[in-house]
Amino acid sequence: GEDVEQSLFLSVREGDSSVINCTYTDSSSTYLYWYKQEPGAGLQLLTYIFSNMDMKQDQRLTVLLNKKDKHLSLRIADTQTGDSAIYFCAEIRDDKIIFGKGTRLHILP
Amino acid sequence: NAGVMQNPRHLVRRRGQEARLRCSPMKGHSHVYWYRQLPEEGLKFMVYLQKENIIDESGMPKERFSAEFPKEGPSILRIQQVVRGDSAAYFCASSPRASGSTDTQYFGPGTRLTVL
Repeated sequence: GEDVEQSLFLSVREGDSSVINCTYTDSSSTYLYWYKQEPGAGLQLLTYIFSNMDMKQDQRLTVLLNKKDKHLSLRIADTQTGDSAIYFCAEIRDDKIIFGKGTRLHILP
Repeated sequence: NAGVMQNPRHLVRRRGQEARLRCSPMKGHSHVYWYRQLPEEGLKFMVYLQKENIIDESGMPKERFSAEFPKEGPSILRIQQVVRGDSAAYFCASSPRASGSTDTQYFGPGTRLTVL
């Protein structure tokens, strides 16, 4: 298909790790992105990974890329209440960013 | 260095009126992109502009919608004769070069359009 797919909801207990998964469509995408959107706010670029990398780590964030399966994941270690948001997976295609529908991360106390 | 600026942040229009949404890219950025986010949806690409040129408008509805990015001033997304289905958040993004390079797109806070 032509869509970037991701699950719509994820609930995680505070302090646990969150793993948000995504499948994308274009094997020629040079960059893959994770954006965060808090309620009523714009999009914040969290991290991105170049297509020739398998993994990228940035503090509490770890991005894993499986090009063969076109699978991208975002792991948030030690999840905090401030991580509650919608997380969008996205790929670049012909200068356009193609977004998934977003995963709403809910933090349980 | 100020980020991407959009105004107004909230816009209410009645059916049949015109909506004008403005976007000022980050300093030094000459590429502007407009996206629309319908309720409970992801963002969908609408149009990509450089100064005085429309590069790709494949995501723009064929009627009532237009966009420009003049030599001076902000980029404008214009919606004529708005209908209820136009109610959405409209996001602008900018980059210094085409986004196939290492320069990604940085997003503004969005304009939330409500059509009554």
